[in-house]
Amino acid sequence: EPEVTQTPSHQVTQMGQEVILRCVPISNHLYFYWYRQILGQKVEFLVSFYNNEISEKSEIFDDQFSVERPDGSNFTLKIRSTKLEDSAMYFCASSEAAQGSTDTQYFGPGTRLTVL
Amino acid sequence: AQTVTQSQPEMSVQEAETVTLSCTYDTSESDYYLFWYKQPPSRQMILVIRQEAYKQQNATENRFSVNFQKAAKSFSLKISDSQLGDAAMYFCALDSNTGKLIFGQGTTLQVKP
Repeated sequence: EPEVTQTPSHQVTQMGQEVILRCVPISNHLYFYWYRQILGQKVEFLVSFYNNEISEKSEIFDDQFSVERPDGSNFTLKIRSTKLEDSAMYFCASSEAAQGSTDTQYFGPGTRLTVL
Repeated sequence: AQTVTQSQPEMSVQEAETVTLSCTYDTSESDYYLFWYKQPPSRQMILVIRQEAYKQQNATENRFSVNFQKAAKSFSLKISDSQLGDAAMYFCALDSNTGKLIFGQGTTLQVKP
C-alpha cells in the first residue's frame, strides 16, 4: 500500500541553524501539507501546497519557513534559522483531492526536530 | 472560526469491552468532513475513520464506528471489542473544505488486559 515517507526520523540542530525536512508524498496525490505537534500539544496546521504554490498557510508559518517541491517526488520544509520553540514533531501529509473538494489526508511518520 | 474540542484527556477500557470517545466541533460551513486519527506511541498519525457531513449514515470501519449528530455538532468514536493495540492517542479533526485539518486536543486511550 502506498504511503507517505519522511526523512530524517530525528533531526538535532543548534539554534540559528537551517534545517530541511523531507517528505515523499503518495505518488498520485496533488495536495501536500505540513503540520507540527509540539510535545504534549495538539497537531497544528502549517501550510498546504498545490500546483507548485502555497494554497494556505497559518500564522505559525512565518518568513522563517518555506516549502518547495524541488522535483517530481520530494516535498520539503525549510526552517531558515531555527529557534528553541521550533522543537516539535513535523508531519507531512498528502491527499488526492483536486481543488475545491476534500479528500482524506494521509500522514507520514513524522520528523522529530530537536533544537538545542 | 472552526474549533474541535475533545473533553476527555484520558479514557480507559477493559480489553474486549466497548469505549466511546467524545468530540464536538464548530463550523459555519454546511459542507465539511470529520475524521478520527490514531497516534500510537510511535507518534505516526493513522486514519481511523472518516465521515462526510452530507451523509446521514454513520461511518463504520470494522470495530470502529461513529455517532455523528450534525445538529448537535457532535462526532463520537465507538471502539468495540477493544484490543491492546488500540491503546493510543486519538484525535478528532475537522476539514471545512479548505484542506486544512483542525485537530482537537486528543484523548489518550488506555486498554487494560
